[in-house]
Amino acid sequence: DQQVKQNSPSLSVQEGRISILNCDYTNSMFDYFLWYKKYPAEGPTFLISISSIKDKNEDGRFTVFLNKSAKHLSLHIVPSQPGDSAVYFCAASGPGDYQLIWGAGTKLIIKP
Amino acid sequence: EAQVTQNPRYLITVTGKKLTVTCSQNMNHEYMSWYRQDPGLGLRQIYYSMNVEVTDKGDVPEGYKVSRKEKRNFPLILESPSPNQTSLYFCASSFQGPNTEAFFGQGTRLTVV
Repeated sequence: DQQVKQNSPSLSVQEGRISILNCDYTNSMFDYFLWYKKYPAEGPTFLISISSIKDKNEDGRFTVFLNKSAKHLSLHIVPSQPGDSAVYFCAASGPGDYQLIWGAGTKLIIKP
Repeated sequence: EAQVTQNPRYLITVTGKKLTVTCSQNMNHEYMSWYRQDPGLGLRQIYYSMNVEVTDKGDVPEGYKVSRKEKRNFPLILESPSPNQTSLYFCASSFQGPNTEAFFGQGTRLTVV
């Protein structure tokens, strides 16, 4: 049973518009969440993270929102740029965990 | 340059022939881990290491071994590879635990025939 779910395998967004990537989790013990971005033929790179004591974290064009009651987080990219086309993974861990649980990823395509 | 180096990038082998995928990081990170990526499943953690001589199983450890004799190196060993271990493998390191930014290697595409 997948504890971290990214239900949209792909998402297509016009350049300049907002991209919203979603992630749901089932384990209420998770207290730290991270987003990674992956280009083809490369390893993932860290994008942004959020602790469960917050409900929002911003870094430039990237904002992550956490809704603990719904066990849902989302990554907003504003404005979307062609270089944002990649696969985005969300990942989660619990207190004292040394493991990271990953979602299956969402492929974001930015159309010119 | 800060980096995680995996070798080889591509490997085709036969069932049962022992192999090792090497991983080395130059950032003095304590935490290292191995993942496999399969279509539709995302990244699944195989093993991780909190520090030298300290390793533990992830979600999918069967058929794999690791060792951490030095801080910088974390090799992945397949004693008797099978076709279901055909996958894309990533090594990663981070300063302290999975909640800190992880740096990934470029991946090893393994095919077991």
